[in-house]
Amino acid sequence: QLQLQESGPGLVKPSETLSLTCSVSGGSISNSNYYWGWIRQSPGKGLEWIGSVHFSGNAYYNPSLKSRVTISADTPKNQFSLRLSSLTAADTAVYYCARRDSSGNNNWFDPWGQGTLVTVSS
Amino acid sequence: DIQMTQSPSSVSASVGDRVTITCRASQVISTWLAWYQQKPGKAPKLLIYAVSSLQRGVPSRFSGSGSGTEFTLTINSLQPEDLATYYCQQANSFPFTFGPGTKVDIK
Repeated sequence: QLQLQESGPGLVKPSETLSLTCSVSGGSISNSNYYWGWIRQSPGKGLEWIGSVHFSGNAYYNPSLKSRVTISADTPKNQFSLRLSSLTAADTAVYYCARRDSSGNNNWFDPWGQGTLVTVSS
Repeated sequence: DIQMTQSPSSVSASVGDRVTITCRASQVISTWLAWYQQKPGKAPKLLIYAVSSLQRGVPSRFSGSGSGTEFTLTINSLQPEDLATYYCQQANSFPFTFGPGTKVDIK
């Protein structure tokens, strides 16, 4: 059974860069049928898709965050990562990693990791 | 971006009732719509994809319908374990966007 697990700091200072990792077990991120991505959830903005990466390195980002986001895949470790720079309090949220089908418009997310709360505060 | 709206924002119903949630897209998204269930303190879980296809393991009391810009999630015979917030998501185009959610309470 495919499982995803987020890891990273729970508290980050404003203006700093957030780095989160999603470890995948029970399947390979090198499977060409899928993208691997990040979604966040905050009380103010609800669920927000951040972006997704294919093991080939092809990545798509939400234009609202594109200037600050990098998502990359580490196939030997079977992990993928999120970097979000220039943090503000508005980036405080629960961050989820999730798998997305890469075929056609089958752009739904399943499964999801359990989520990790990131608070941006000095 | 395609904006997603949901109604109602919350609903309270009794066990055994039928609950209907509506999701509207600001543009035509054909049948590229998914529904998720999020129980308190948990991650969202995919319930239905492509408007009406049930994800493996999802009880048959859940069903989806619609096309174009208007979609419906129906829970037939509400059960106590269905207490959750339900979100729709458009899968038609980048950036993928979610509705604001509908909270389902049990009376």
